[in-house]
Amino acid sequence: GAVVSQHPSRVICKSGTSVKIECRSLDFQATTMFWYRQFPKQSLMLMATSNEGSKATYEQGVEKDKFLINHASLTLSTLTVTSAHPEDSSFYICSAYTGGGDYSNQPQHFGDGTRLSIL
Amino acid sequence: TQLLEQSPQFLSIQEGENLTVYCNSSSVFSSLQWYRQEPGEGPVLLVTVVTGGEVKKLKRLTFQFGDARKDSSLHITAAQPGDTGLYLCAGYNTDKLIFGTGTRLQVFP
Repeated sequence: GAVVSQHPSRVICKSGTSVKIECRSLDFQATTMFWYRQFPKQSLMLMATSNEGSKATYEQGVEKDKFLINHASLTLSTLTVTSAHPEDSSFYICSAYTGGGDYSNQPQHFGDGTRLSIL
Repeated sequence: TQLLEQSPQFLSIQEGENLTVYCNSSSVFSSLQWYRQEPGEGPVLLVTVVTGGEVKKLKRLTFQFGDARKDSSLHITAAQPGDTGLYLCAGYNTDKLIFGTGTRLQVFP
């Protein structure tokens, strides 16, 4: 089955540090990947859509200069949280679907998430 | 904004009980998906319902898509501690998957 790998699984760092999270599709190519943020005991909130070879599309209220997304290849998207502060602490999850055809009937394949803690 | 409201928000039951989780929207969806998420992990797809009125069964889980394709339900029969987790419905808004507000289920032995 389609596997999405996310790395690292957990990051603890000091305020002001920039943190990069990687999302890889291991056995399929993903022209589109998605980044979600999840606060404790809450649902997933879509942050941005990452498109291979082009700029990411950010959801309303998400700072594109704060959350830098790069989708340099068909199997890798990265999310960089720049100058992270304690309020950026959250669970970040990426996903991808194999694409093609009617996306609405295709499952999203999710990574296992990255727990980011800013001290 | 298409909102997917789930109810109840929290559910705490004893092993062997039955339960139903609801997912409602004012918008029509071409399909709805149900996911289950455990702490520290990404959500895992349980089912996709695509036809109004459709009923799908997955062992003790029964999923139904409303006739008008604005709502869905998940019914669990004889819940087990292993069913504990966060249940999320989700639907596509153009090419973006939007998640419901979530239902946190805890099943006690």
